[in-house]
Amino acid sequence: EPEVTQTPSHQVTQMGQEVILRCVPISNHLYFYWYRQILGQKVEFLVSFYNNEISEKSEIFDDQFSVERPDGSNFTLKIRSTKLEDSAMYFCARDRGRTDTQYFGPGTRLTVL
Amino acid sequence: KQEVTQIPAALSVPEGENLVLNCSFTDSAIYNLQWFRQDPGKGLTSLLLIQSSQREQTSGRLNASLDKSSGRSTLYIAASQPGDSATYLCAVRGGSEKLVFGKGTKLTVNP
Repeated sequence: EPEVTQTPSHQVTQMGQEVILRCVPISNHLYFYWYRQILGQKVEFLVSFYNNEISEKSEIFDDQFSVERPDGSNFTLKIRSTKLEDSAMYFCARDRGRTDTQYFGPGTRLTVL
Repeated sequence: KQEVTQIPAALSVPEGENLVLNCSFTDSAIYNLQWFRQDPGKGLTSLLLIQSSQREQTSGRLNASLDKSSGRSTLYIAASQPGDSATYLCAVRGGSEKLVFGKGTKLTVNP
């Protein structure tokens, strides 16, 4: 299975602070995704990113969220002003298109106090 | 809007038993379906990908079937082991790149 890494593994922040979650996918995957999983809930889609642009986003992905791939390698999710309800596991995923297996990273546990 | 349901929510079996996990989805217009395993506090490990044109896929002791027209998939685990204890997630991909997940079945295999 192609490897993807996510940093940090755990982030604790105060409400209202900005956080940046990072993902390092392998280079020949074209599509990148962020999902989140609130404790005890389903895994939920946030956003997909293709060719350096957002290709789809969910209703959860409001103006507080942004994604970018600043250096052609790392793929980041920024939450501008965190809320208590943003506490969740955030997963990065990648694949080569919709017929391909989607591979997930180990996740970042975000705790907002 | 696609909805994915997994039954049962939890299952406890003795070691060595064969078992079946169920997944149903409301919109049959899918590209494929993936089964994942999730250990507590960990990421998602892909187990099997089954394309919409396929009926089943096998990997080791795992066999996934797909009946697209009825909106159902099953994951069969043969000769279960305590190491199989985990939550098993089903996810479908429809007309876009995103996956839509079920809530999972928590499997406990007792030695």
